[in-house]
Formats: sequence, structure tokens, C-alpha cells
Amino acid sequence: EVQLVQSEAEVKKPGESLKISCKGSGYSFSTYWIGWMRQMPGKGLEWMGIIYPGDSDTIYSPSFQGQVTISADKSISTAYLQWISLKASDTAMFYCARGRGTASRGLYFDYWGQGTLVTVSP
Amino acid sequence: EIVLTQSPGTLSLSPGERVTLSCRASQSVSSSYLAWYQQKPGQSPRLLIYGASSRATGSPDRFSGSGSGTDFTLTISRLEPEDFAVYYCQQYGSSPWTFGQGTKVEIK
Repeated sequence: EVQLVQSEAEVKKPGESLKISCKGSGYSFSTYWIGWMRQMPGKGLEWMGIIYPGDSDTIYSPSFQGQVTISADKSISTAYLQWISLKASDTAMFYCARGRGTASRGLYFDYWGQGTLVTVSP
Repeated sequence: EIVLTQSPGTLSLSPGERVTLSCRASQSVSSSYLAWYQQKPGQSPRLLIYGASSRATGSPDRFSGSGSGTDFTLTISRLEPEDFAVYYCQQYGSSPWTFGQGTKVEIK
């Protein structure tokens, strides 16, 4: 069974750093893209970026380039989303998902993690 | 960036009814690279349709997708109680990949 299990909810202060995780199982983690999506409170979904764990090739949405860092450790089947300095506006639910297709032609997402709620408040 | 506009924003319906949800793109979506997701309160999104009309594994056959170019439709042939949720379309034919703002299907 394909599963993506994300790390627990986090409460942080503005300016703090954070790294959340997404652990895959039930499939060959290295050979599928992993995408990250943001969902702000009461809002829709936004694509942030993708990573190919096999070689750590990473593509960011222009809206998130420079704001976050996506990484992966294929040896432990885990992808990460990281912030250096959080802002209150980073408060949101973040989802990882397995990508189907190719990065050059386009990806949709067939399995999703349960989400990690990040709250940034003074 | 392709903007996806979903309509209507909210639909109030009864179980057993037929539902048609619209997703309109600001530019043509290449190769009909359009997906539909269902999200229930407190849950992650679930893939229903990809490639505009291909049903995902485990997606009930009452869900169907159609369309091409800039106009796409998700149809639920007969609403079941578990279908009340928010539905999102996503285009993946042109980077950055984008989602629509969602259509909420609520119980009348």
C-alpha cells in the first residue's frame, strides 16, 4: 500500500527555522517525483515545488522560489520542506504528494500525505 | 501562468442528483493535462480524474471527466452522501502547475 506519512503539526515564532518531513512507503520512493502543496486557512491548493528523490532534481514554482527549500534523502525514503525564517503568512497546511507523469510534460498527484499544519505566531 | 476558474463556487444539492462542475482555463491546457481532486473537511485531497477523463484507481464510476482546450467538466452521475465535499481542478500542462479555487458541493 502506498503511503506518505508527514511529520506532526508545528507551532513556531516569526523568524524561526523549520523543516517538515514526508516519508514514503509501499513503492519505489526514488523513482517518483514528490510534490509539495500549500493550503492556507480556508483557501485552495497551491503547488510549491517538486523533487525527484533519485537524483534530488528540484523544480520550484516561481511563487515559492527562494522562500522555501525542498530536499530528499532517498536512503530513508523521506522528502523535506524547509524554511530559514518563518513569517506569520507561512501559517498553512502543507501536503506532500506523489507525482505521476514527468516533470518536463507535467505531473498530477495520485497519493497524498495527511498534511502538516504549520502555525507561525508571536 | 494559467488561471483556472471553477464554477459555481457552491452547489446545494440532494443525494441522488446529477452534478456538473466546470473548470475554465485562461489558456488552452496542453494535451488535456487536467486533473480533478476531492477534498473533505479535515482530509487530504484525493485524486479522482487525470488526463481530463481517465478515472484514478479507486475512483467510483459515477465520477467522469470531459473537456479539452479551455473548458473541462467533472460530472457526478448520482450524488452519494459521501460525495459532499470541495472539488478542485489542476492543470499540469504548463508550469507553474495551478489549481482552481474549488467548488463546494453541499447538502441542500
